[in-house]
Amino acid sequence: EVSLVESGEGFVQPGGSLRLSCAASGFTFSSHVMHWVRQAPGKGLESVSAISTNGDRTYYADSVKGRFTISRDNSKNTLYLQMGSLRSEDMAVYYCAREGSRGSLDPWGQGTLVTVSS
Amino acid sequence: DVVMTQSPLSLPVTLGQPASISCRSSQSLVNSDGNTYLNWFQQRPGQSPRRLIYKVSNRDSGVPDRFSGSGSGTDFTLKISRVEAEDVGLYYCMQGTQWPWTFGQGTKVEIK
Repeated sequence: EVSLVESGEGFVQPGGSLRLSCAASGFTFSSHVMHWVRQAPGKGLESVSAISTNGDRTYYADSVKGRFTISRDNSKNTLYLQMGSLRSEDMAVYYCAREGSRGSLDPWGQGTLVTVSS
Repeated sequence: DVVMTQSPLSLPVTLGQPASISCRSSQSLVNSDGNTYLNWFQQRPGQSPRRLIYKVSNRDSGVPDRFSGSGSGTDFTLKISRVEAEDVGLYYCMQGTQWPWTFGQGTKVEIK
């Protein structure tokens, strides 16, 4: 069964840093583009970042460019999101998702909560 | 960025009745490869999003056939032929044609 499990949930002060992880299983991780999508409390969904299969190409939303870094370790079947200079507006549940077929996300992980507050 | 606009944002429906959600994009979602990467997701309360439909009208395995997607270019629709209690939740359209991928605001489906 295909599974994505995020970890790294935390409470951070503004300006702080946090690293999220997403452990993948049940499929050939190295063959799929992977994404991070976030959802602020009570709000809609926002694409945050994506990474190519071998990590040589990365994509970021303008709202996180220069502050977040996406990476992957195909030997460990794990996706990462290093978040820095965190702001209150970064507070959200962060989901990792597989680009199972081009232009689509399936499945999604259960999400991990990032709280940014002083 | 491509702006995705859903309507209505709230949809009270009687059990067994049909429901329809509209999604419009600010520009054509036809990709240079000829495909249209328009998706529909369901998010039940307290759960992660689940894909229902990809490439406009392709239903995922395990998704009841009462769900259907249609449309082209910039205008798309998700239809539920007969709403059941388990269909309560938020529904999002999402375009995967151009980065950043963008979502509609979400439509809340509830039972009257």
